[in-house]
Amino acid sequence: KNQVEQSPQSLIILEGKNCTLQCNYTVSPFSNLRWYKQDTGRGPVSLTIMTFSENTKSNGRYTATLDADTKQSSLHITASQLSDSASYICVVSVTNAGKSTFGDGTTLTVKP
Amino acid sequence: GAGVSQSPSNKVTEKGKDVELRCDPISGHTALYWYRQSLGQGLEFLIYFQGNSAPDKSGLPSDRFSAERTGGSVSTLTIQRTQQEDSAVYLCASSAHSNIRGSPLHFGNGTRLTVT
Repeated sequence: KNQVEQSPQSLIILEGKNCTLQCNYTVSPFSNLRWYKQDTGRGPVSLTIMTFSENTKSNGRYTATLDADTKQSSLHITASQLSDSASYICVVSVTNAGKSTFGDGTTLTVKP
Repeated sequence: GAGVSQSPSNKVTEKGKDVELRCDPISGHTALYWYRQSLGQGLEFLIYFQGNSAPDKSGLPSDRFSAERTGGSVSTLTIQRTQQEDSAVYLCASSAHSNIRGSPLHFGNGTRLTVT
């Protein structure tokens, strides 16, 4: 069964600190992995996409990594800001299928 | 350009009533998805439309749920004889192609359904 597991479930950090969110998946055959940010009361927004051949990709203060061998991805947030408070969702897509597998998300709270 | 638009943004209904939720995808997007998100939970897939192909209805929780997409654009999700456990945020997303080509999902802000 295709599964995506994220950890931690929730995280509280102080403004300016760094953090790393984890995503483990058993989805196969792997096509790509996306990280989405979901602000409260809004729909998720794509932050970055990782394909099989990519190890690291950055988008501003967000850096995603992918280890296709261990089927793990991480999202690193540098110099956190209050606006980073949100749910971060890992989504893995398979080849030959239209729908993706969603993780349950990590809820990040950045405090001043 | 305009993003995915969902209406209404909030809906309160009495148990046993039928409701219709609407989704206007981004113009030209061939793929359209409906998800359900209960409070504090992850997204639960409901149904997927891709072009003129038969929809993937594998996520619909019961026969009270149905969806259609007219003219390859606007979609409506209908819930008949609503139950309290149907209370959730219903999210619609569209993408330029199906996910096998890596196109991102563009989500609307959802319809918050409350069944009293």
